Amino acid sequence: QSALTQPPSASGSPGQSVTISCTGTSSDVGAYTFVSWYQQHPGKAPKLMIYEVTKRPSGVPDRFSGSKSGNTASLTVSGLQAEDEADYYCSSYAGSNNYVFGTGTMVTVL
Amino acid sequence: QVQLVQSGAEVKKPGASVTISCKASGYAFTNYYIHWVRQAPGQGLQWMGIINPSGGDTSYAQKFQGRVTVTMDTSTSTVYMELSSLRSEDTAVYYCGIGQLDYWGQGTLITVSS
Repeated sequence: QSALTQPPSASGSPGQSVTISCTGTSSDVGAYTFVSWYQQHPGKAPKLMIYEVTKRPSGVPDRFSGSKSGNTASLTVSGLQAEDEADYYCSSYAGSNNYVFGTGTMVTVL
Repeated sequence: QVQLVQSGAEVKKPGASVTISCKASGYAFTNYYIHWVRQAPGQGLQWMGIINPSGGDTSYAQKFQGRVTVTMDTSTSTVYMELSSLRSEDTAVYYCGIGQLDYWGQGTLITVSS
């Protein structure tokens, strides 16, 4: 099972939007609606930001949104804030109780 | 509140095995699958395996097949992850997490060094 492909980095100025892609295959991202996104600050455990492609856990700002088209999922962060600077990882169910993570994207707030 | 408390950091020699524990509290233990995920220094997240606490069924990433074993003790709501034949590349922080990975343990640093 190969890692899902994400861009290594993305950036935006405060208030702007940034979109991160997560490309998999027809066996993972394309096959299931179980795509999640995690935010990780240095030295901390990851935090769930989006699950089941578009759903936000309680407490996650609505500035974070998810979508999917074919084998590619996306996370959009609108109205960028300084605290959004972090690493972001996607993950997908890959069948037979297997999961796979993305390669990770470092988001910089300029 | 949901808590996942992992065992402490360990240093192991190449070829040895390590077992990490993850004690769950604050929810019905059998209601959520428990995942194991690792992160090598400066690297990304890597999914290792999963256990269904309601029955004990497990599934492992192909990369770790034959080297990883996840078990549980329902009497103490604790899950264990054993990784064998350790090599330097296994140096990482190991996390447990539940369900959609909406709750994570604090992480356990395993260092493999001769």
